[in-house]
Amino acid sequence: EAQVTQNPRYLITVTGKKLTVTCSQNMNHEYMSWYRQDPGLGLRQIYYSMNVEVTDKGDVPEGYKVSRKEKRNFPLILESPSPNQTSLYFCASSLGQGTGEAFFGQGTRLTVV
Amino acid sequence: GQSLEQPSEVTAVEGAIVQINCTYQTSGFYGLSWYQQHDGGAPTFLSYNGLDGLEETGRFSSFLSRSDSYGYLLLQELQMKDSASYFCAVRAADSNYQLIWGAGTKLIIKP
Repeated sequence: EAQVTQNPRYLITVTGKKLTVTCSQNMNHEYMSWYRQDPGLGLRQIYYSMNVEVTDKGDVPEGYKVSRKEKRNFPLILESPSPNQTSLYFCASSLGQGTGEAFFGQGTRLTVV
Repeated sequence: GQSLEQPSEVTAVEGAIVQINCTYQTSGFYGLSWYQQHDGGAPTFLSYNGLDGLEETGRFSSFLSRSDSYGYLLLQELQMKDSASYFCAVRAADSNYQLIWGAGTKLIIKP
């Protein structure tokens, strides 16, 4: 089954404790992205990757890191989480520029206290 | 800059037809997509328009006019399960073909 898998689904952590949210896709997609979603603000892109070892900043990259060492995985790293990073996070993948269809993971609800 | 506008909320009656509009301002427009998101869930793809005209998928249709920088999503025979948020998203060359998202339209369906 074609899917994007994110883990964990829910996470409560304390300020400053490094964490990683994993994302994996099994569709051999080139494009992968991370978004955060906050009430009334829609989806805001954090980082994206157009292929292995190619990553770029989205609209709200501050406080986040990513890596793309292999095509299927695109982890999101928060080196020192702060309460303003409390949000719902989504990973997404798509085939490339020629399609409007992106596949989303189930989401990770992160709370930083 | 790049921007998309869509209404924040639309209310309709079960069984009726509703249209959700989206206007965009982008450079290097490539295509317009629509996504549905239920509360607490992930966005799911509904349709894509790369060329002008109407695309139909069951009860849902999507329209694009590139000359007007405008598109809409049409939902027919509304069902209660269609209550969700609907997002338009544009893929544009000037944003490295990344999806640029509207803020979403919350569709409320009344019996």
